[in-house]
Amino acid sequence: KAGVTQTPRYLIKTRGQQVTLSCSPISGHRSVSWYQQTPGQGLQFLFEYFSETQRNKGNFPGRFSGRQFSNSRSEMNVSTLELGDSALYLCASSLDISGANVLTFGAGSRLTVL
Amino acid sequence: GDSVTQMEGPVTLSEEAFLTINCTYTATGYPSLFWYVQYPGEGLQLLLKATKADDKGSNKGFEATYRKETTSFHLEKGSVQVSDSAVYFCALSGAGGSYIPTFGRGTSLIVHP
Repeated sequence: KAGVTQTPRYLIKTRGQQVTLSCSPISGHRSVSWYQQTPGQGLQFLFEYFSETQRNKGNFPGRFSGRQFSNSRSEMNVSTLELGDSALYLCASSLDISGANVLTFGAGSRLTVL
Repeated sequence: GDSVTQMEGPVTLSEEAFLTINCTYTATGYPSLFWYVQYPGEGLQLLLKATKADDKGSNKGFEATYRKETTSFHLEKGSVQVSDSAVYFCALSGAGGSYIPTFGRGTSLIVHP
């Protein structure tokens, strides 16, 4: 079956612009999480959606937002981009929400802010 | 809060060498423990997991045992291959009622022929 698909794979923006990243989860998966990965901070949790509701949010400023649609596809948006937002943004989906939850990750969207 | 500590990398080995990547954790309750692997240019993928104390997770020759007494989940492989070169992440979830995973910083493994 198809894996988690993230688009675009690469993008370059300038400071002050905004960006929208898309994630299509595995069919049947209702939970979608987003992570920011940087060499300095590692993997940092952004937010998690389940059945179109944001259930958990990490410690990121309000410039970072997201949403989930009825087909479980998700988007995240970053407004007023800063140089420090340059990172690999990873989306992960899972079948349910439990402690033994296994995440399936996409290949990521690599954002470069100039 | 919950945390996962992994050994610093990179770990550099010759092919067929024995691998150990240390992972210890701090958590409330009884979390599930995971190892994920990230190959160059890809996202993370599950390597193995263990959901209770003394469980051993295994996959592709890799093993890790959930040690509650030492709060550890060290990853081992008896004979590494060049294709095992990747970044390995230890993670936990389910501690204190939260199902959002906490990841370690990752350990880069480089295997030379």
